[in-house]
Amino acid sequence: GESVGLHLPTLSVQEGDNSIINCAYSNSASDYFIWYKQESGKGPQFIIDIRSNMDKRQGQRVTVLLNKTVKHLSLQIAATQPGDSAVYFCAENTKTSYDKVIFGPGTSLSVIP
Amino acid sequence: DTEVTQTPKHLVMGMTNKKSLKCEQHMGHRAMYWYKQKAKKPPELMFVYSYEKLSINESVPSRFSPECPNSSLLNLHLHALQPEDSALYLCASRETLSNQPQHFGDGTRLSIL
Repeated sequence: GESVGLHLPTLSVQEGDNSIINCAYSNSASDYFIWYKQESGKGPQFIIDIRSNMDKRQGQRVTVLLNKTVKHLSLQIAATQPGDSAVYFCAENTKTSYDKVIFGPGTSLSVIP
Repeated sequence: DTEVTQTPKHLVMGMTNKKSLKCEQHMGHRAMYWYKQKAKKPPELMFVYSYEKLSINESVPSRFSPECPNSSLLNLHLHALQPEDSALYLCASRETLSNQPQHFGDGTRLSIL
């Protein structure tokens, strides 16, 4: 299930199923988007990125989709494994300052064995 | 192991103490960042250094003082902190070319008594 509000949004999936994590962004000037995975006690780890001139990019077991019309980003994880349990953040980079990276609120993914 | 090394991993200090957090990277990245992260929240940008010069200060209180002694090192000097400053402090580095992801350390867990 999924919950929002004061708590971190959560997503629970069965091992082996596909996961979809969503992210909305508000700045139409953003032109570079990144997904990070953060495990407990560690720093965020780069997963995959996408530039605004693309609408889809695939990596190993992960796919990022970008819909600029509705300012929506998603991360799809195929055949989810217990090691995928973590908090996932989307982040965006604005054209006005490539140094400034803004993080979304994050989604906690729990994989049920 | 991450390519960005942060020390110490944990730090407990009183409100009158002076301490420093250290960050080191040897990837040749010329942009370095400090973030503050509270539990179940995304990283919040504090400072950005680009080519050893402070380029972004997100209105951080003066009790936090960043320093970039050279292109591989980033320090965060702490003085007269408040209990609400207790958090995970993350360092990141990035190539200064556009559209490049950040590389994060595993952070320093700071507790203010």
